[in-house]
Amino acid sequence: GESVGLHLPTLSVQEGDNSIINCAYSNSASDYFIWYKQESGKGPQFIIDIRSNMDKRQGQRVTVLLNKTVKHLSLQIAATQPGDSAVYFCAENSAGGGNKLTFGTGTQLKVEL
Amino acid sequence: GAVVSQHPSRVICKSGTSVKIECRSLDFQATTMFWYRQFPKQSLMLMATSNEGSKATYEQGVEKDKFLINHASLTLSTLTVTSAHPEDSSFYICSAKENTIYFGEGSWLTVV
Repeated sequence: GESVGLHLPTLSVQEGDNSIINCAYSNSASDYFIWYKQESGKGPQFIIDIRSNMDKRQGQRVTVLLNKTVKHLSLQIAATQPGDSAVYFCAENSAGGGNKLTFGTGTQLKVEL
Repeated sequence: GAVVSQHPSRVICKSGTSVKIECRSLDFQATTMFWYRQFPKQSLMLMATSNEGSKATYEQGVEKDKFLINHASLTLSTLTVTSAHPEDSSFYICSAKENTIYFGEGSWLTVV
């Protein structure tokens, strides 16, 4: 069911610092993972993805790390900027689940000037 | 990247009426689209899978007669909230896959 009044975990970082957002997933059969950024009032925006045959993937200022042993995913943002302030969600997909995504609870990233 | 568009972005309707939300894949064809619902400060919850040319598949606990889904073409899926009530007020988001899974901008529904 839905949790009323749920507060998102918050990560506060100084502008220019690196940010690390963590996510634990539950399904050991998940083989595809995506990080999304969601700004207030908008739909999720694709950031980066990774398949289970990899443990690291880099994009522009972002890196995703995957640890299948402990079912853990992280998103690293280098030189965090004010425009990075948003809620970040990890999502997992399993080969047998079609293209259905299961989302994590989300983390609010706040960039302080 | 691929673009998924929703319309309307915001809608207010009276309790008891029905409202339709459209989801379009603008530059690719999508045989499958997904509808999610999101309450403030919460994560996205999958409501149903929209299948082109066949019936939608609903997640457990989602009333199929209340949330009607039609996927009449490879670029359009619609979600109709029937006999809307204030508790249906929420942010509704659709997604579709091209290489990866992209989301629409979302539609805010307020039932008064």
